[in-house]
This record gives sequence, C-alpha cells and structure tokens, in this order.
Amino acid sequence: SAVISQKPSRDICQRGTSLTIQCQVDSQVTMMFWYRQQPGQSLTLIATANQGSEATYESGFVIDKFPISRPNLTFSTLTVSNMSPEDSSIYLCSVEGLGGVPRGEQYFGPGTRLTVT
Amino acid sequence: KQEVTQIPAALSVPEGENLVLNCSFTDSAIYNLQWFRQDPGKGLTSLLLIQSSQREQTSGRLNASLDKSSGRSTLYIAASQPGDSATYLCAARMDSSYKLIFGSGTRLLVRP
Repeated sequence: SAVISQKPSRDICQRGTSLTIQCQVDSQVTMMFWYRQQPGQSLTLIATANQGSEATYESGFVIDKFPISRPNLTFSTLTVSNMSPEDSSIYLCSVEGLGGVPRGEQYFGPGTRLTVT
Repeated sequence: KQEVTQIPAALSVPEGENLVLNCSFTDSAIYNLQWFRQDPGKGLTSLLLIQSSQREQTSGRLNASLDKSSGRSTLYIAASQPGDSATYLCAARMDSSYKLIFGSGTRLLVRP
C-alpha cells in the first residue's frame, strides 16, 4: 500500500471563508479521488481529480464550491469554498493504481476533519 | 442505482467470539467489493478486496465472501479481539465507474 498524507489533519473555520486541503502520495498513482463523510454518515464521492484537466464531479457537487487541482501523479488539492456549517465533515482523499498500475483497490488518506462555525 | 446496505448497524460481542458482518447490494453488475475498517476520527484502512470473479478472500483472521447472484458479501472475523473494535464499511464498485458506493457501516465493539 501507499503512504497517503493529508494537510491539515483538522481545522476550525469561520463561515464564508475557504480552506484548501492537500493530499500527497509517496508514489505515483493513476487515479485520485475526494470523498466527504458528514457526521454520522458514510462516505460520498465528491469528484475524481484528473491530472492536467478539470475534475469530474458527482451529482450534487460543483466546481465553484469544491475546486480541485491535480498538477502531477502524486498530489492533489481540494478547496471548500464559502463555507457554511453544513460543510462540517471529514474530507478524505483516496488513490488507485499504485506505481501507475490499476489494480482496482482504493487506499484512503487519514482525512481532514473540518468544523465550520 | 446501486444501493449498499450493512446489517447490523452495531454489534457487541465478548472477546474470542467468531462473528459475521453482512453487506448487501442491489445491482449485481459490480466490478469488485472492498471491505474497510475505520477507527473513530480516522481514515479508512483497506482490509480485503474481492474481484467480481472471485468467491472469497482471506487475510489472517479475516475472510470475506462474495455472492453476486444474491447480492451479498460477508466479512467473517475469527477469534475476535478488543483491538478489532472499529466501524467496518463495505463498498461496491460498479463495472463502468471508479466510484465506490459505501454502506453505512457496522460499528463493532469487542468486550474484554
């Protein structure tokens, strides 16, 4: 498995502000994803981070609210924009295709716990 | 639309007991099914991955099975330990997508 790190691990933010979350992998991967886990809920896919092009968003998620970058094969960022208390969640990045070889198994980072006041 | 359900939502067992966690899915056209463990406030740890062509996978005290025709997967934990206490999530991936569709999880407590 890969070592996946996320920064920050947690943050408390005021409504109306934005937070950028970073995801770093210690090896090249083919796919990177961002998920959200709202309090007491399971995980929901926000988007697939595509290298060098716009992310692919799931229904209910839009680029203006959750802009995503993926400049290379090991790094991605998710920004939560114009935050409201409803954005309080754990945000997790996941990866697939370690070493550039797709195997179908996804690995998750430790998550970023966001609280919006 | 694929839906994934996990039963029971919570389970408390004494140490040493063998136990089974259940996961069901509505659409049998899955690419694979993955079992994860999540400790409180933490990320997910991948436990087992079963490809659609496989019937089961084993890792140590864990055994996961897959029956596509009935839309079910089970995670068997042998000789449970207090360190096994966590939330267990199953996630199905469809043939045509990278998206994982998660169940709501089973919260397991193993009592010493």
